[in-house]
Amino acid sequence: DGGITQSPKYLFRKEGQNVTLSCEQNLNHDAMYWYRQDPGQGLRLIYYSQIVNDFQKGDIAEGYSVSREKKESFPLTVTSAQKNPTAFYLCASMQRGATNEKLFFGSGTQLSVL
Amino acid sequence: AQTVTQSQPEMSVQEAETVTLSCTYDTSESNYYLFWYKQPPSRQMILVIRQEAYKQQNATENRFSVNFQKAAKSFSLKISDSQLGDTAMYFCAFMIQGAQKLVFGQGTRLTINP
Repeated sequence: DGGITQSPKYLFRKEGQNVTLSCEQNLNHDAMYWYRQDPGQGLRLIYYSQIVNDFQKGDIAEGYSVSREKKESFPLTVTSAQKNPTAFYLCASMQRGATNEKLFFGSGTQLSVL
Repeated sequence: AQTVTQSQPEMSVQEAETVTLSCTYDTSESNYYLFWYKQPPSRQMILVIRQEAYKQQNATENRFSVNFQKAAKSFSLKISDSQLGDTAMYFCAFMIQGAQKLVFGQGTRLTINP
């Protein structure tokens, strides 16, 4: 079945540690996204990529980094510079130019600080 | 910058009742798309309904329909014959045509009571 796979489901970070969240899609979509969701709040865009080897900052990129070396993969690294990383992270993808453009989402990763 | 506002943080209705969730947005663009996404307790984001701004006809999907008022920049979601499985967070979202990224509202937590 086509879809987006995020791993791990739960992740714990120690102080000063970088952690990487995985996102893989087999939908053959060009564009991929990372959103952050805090309790009781909406989704805020961290980074997005419309094509391999290119990505753009979203609204809250500070303390995060990404790469897009393959069309299928868009990992997110939460660096030690992100002082409040506890949140639910959602990866999404979309096919550019489709007649009914819409976001497809993964099942999310809950990141907590130890 | 585009913004999406959902003025009802929480709503609660009895099973089988009809409920309407409000959403307003702010943009100077004329070509865009509007979405309602549902996030049940599993936290999986599910697309409920999608509307193209150039279409005057309101979108419908089974028990879900929208009231799209372009001049008022309003995009409400009506759920008819509500069911227990409709209990979820509902997010309104907006995307400028060609922009390739969605902006989300803060969400409305909807509870359907038996």
